[in-house]
Amino acid sequence: AQKITQTQPGMFVQEKEAVTLDCTYDTSDPSYGLFWYKQPSSGEMIFLIYQGSYDQQNATEGRYSLNFQKARKSANLVISASQLGDSAMYFCAMREGQGGSEKLVFGKGTKLTVNP
Amino acid sequence: NAGVTQTPKFQVLKTGQSMTLQCAQDMNHEYMSWYRQDPGMGLRLIHYSVGAGITDQGEVPNGYNVSRSTTEDFPLRLLSAAPSQTSVYFCASSYLPGTGMGEQYFGPGTRLTVT
Repeated sequence: AQKITQTQPGMFVQEKEAVTLDCTYDTSDPSYGLFWYKQPSSGEMIFLIYQGSYDQQNATEGRYSLNFQKARKSANLVISASQLGDSAMYFCAMREGQGGSEKLVFGKGTKLTVNP
Repeated sequence: NAGVTQTPKFQVLKTGQSMTLQCAQDMNHEYMSWYRQDPGMGLRLIHYSVGAGITDQGEVPNGYNVSRSTTEDFPLRLLSAAPSQTSVYFCASSYLPGTGMGEQYFGPGTRLTVT
């Protein structure tokens, strides 16, 4: 079974609008972390935002926010006021394991296209 | 800081050849890992290390070896290259989660083609 599921292979959004990228996860570990990374066409992986399993509030970083619904095991990324430079692949990832066995598991990604 | 560096950027191998992908970081991170990225598959963990002298297998370790003799370096060895190992390889490093959120810093990637 997949541990990280991103159900939207591709998404389109108009410039200046908000967009939500979906991510659901599966773990039985009570302590885990959720990450979002951006991969532009140039290929580098850029860290965007992090949410810990015990964090009470949803994480925010500038125009990025993470809609964390623990009971539903979802960690959707919200990008507000989209810009053309936001066009990229977006990966959701989960860190699980403790005591030296930590692993990062990635979803298959969502390709976001921002239209002018 | 150079961050995470990887060499080479591009490599073409013939089936059966061996080679080592180099990875180094200058952030004193304990945790280092190797991923491969294939179209439509996201990133898959090959091997990882939580400190010098300690390595463990990830999701797709077959055909690859690693060692961690220093904190800074984490080379990935392909023992006998196969066309199925054609991929983009990323090295990443981070502090251990207990010392922070543990976000991983990625190198620029190595694009490997095996013919």
